[in-house]
Amino acid sequence: KQEVTQIPAALSVPEGENLVLNCSFTDSAIYNLQWFRQDPGKGLTSLLLIQSSQREQTSGRLNASLDKSSGRSTLYIAASQPGDSATYLCAVQKSGGSYIPTFGRGTSLIVHP
Amino acid sequence: GAVVSQHPSWVICKSGTSVKIECRSLDFQATTMFWYRQFPKQSLMLMATSNEGSKATYEQGVEKDKFLINHASLTLSTLTVTSAHPEDSSFYICSADRETQYFGPGTRLLVL
Repeated sequence: KQEVTQIPAALSVPEGENLVLNCSFTDSAIYNLQWFRQDPGKGLTSLLLIQSSQREQTSGRLNASLDKSSGRSTLYIAASQPGDSATYLCAVQKSGGSYIPTFGRGTSLIVHP
Repeated sequence: GAVVSQHPSWVICKSGTSVKIECRSLDFQATTMFWYRQFPKQSLMLMATSNEGSKATYEQGVEKDKFLINHASLTLSTLTVTSAHPEDSSFYICSADRETQYFGPGTRLLVL
């Protein structure tokens, strides 16, 4: 059974810092890995999707890497802003099946001015 | 493209009543939709897979008679929480499958 772990569970930083959020998964037979953002009481916003054949994806100040063999992904946030405050979820879709993702518990991020 | 909506966005009801939540794929057709439940500070837990034109597949521990799912068309799936109780209060999120999953904005249910 796939297990997804996100570290740290919570993070509070001053504005401007570069951040690294970690996601690890136990089964490397994945179809893709996705990072989401969730604001309090809201649904999920997809940030970056990395296919199993890819090593990284970039969007603006966000960069996500994938090391399938070691079962790890990192989300790098450059020059953090208060508007980045949210919970960041990592989800892994298994290959060769129904593609239902397994979610981590998320990292709750607060960026204070 | 690939927008998924949910209605209502929040609902408060009395214990014992039933509540229906709708999930729609607005600009694409989805033969498969998924229903998740999320408790505070917890991850999303898959409740069931909704298949258009057939019965839903429920995850272990999810009562199918409690959480009724109907996928009547390629753009609409509904989740009905029957005889709701306070412990059913949660955040319910749906997603629609289009090679990957696209998520709705969620519905917050509070049962008094």
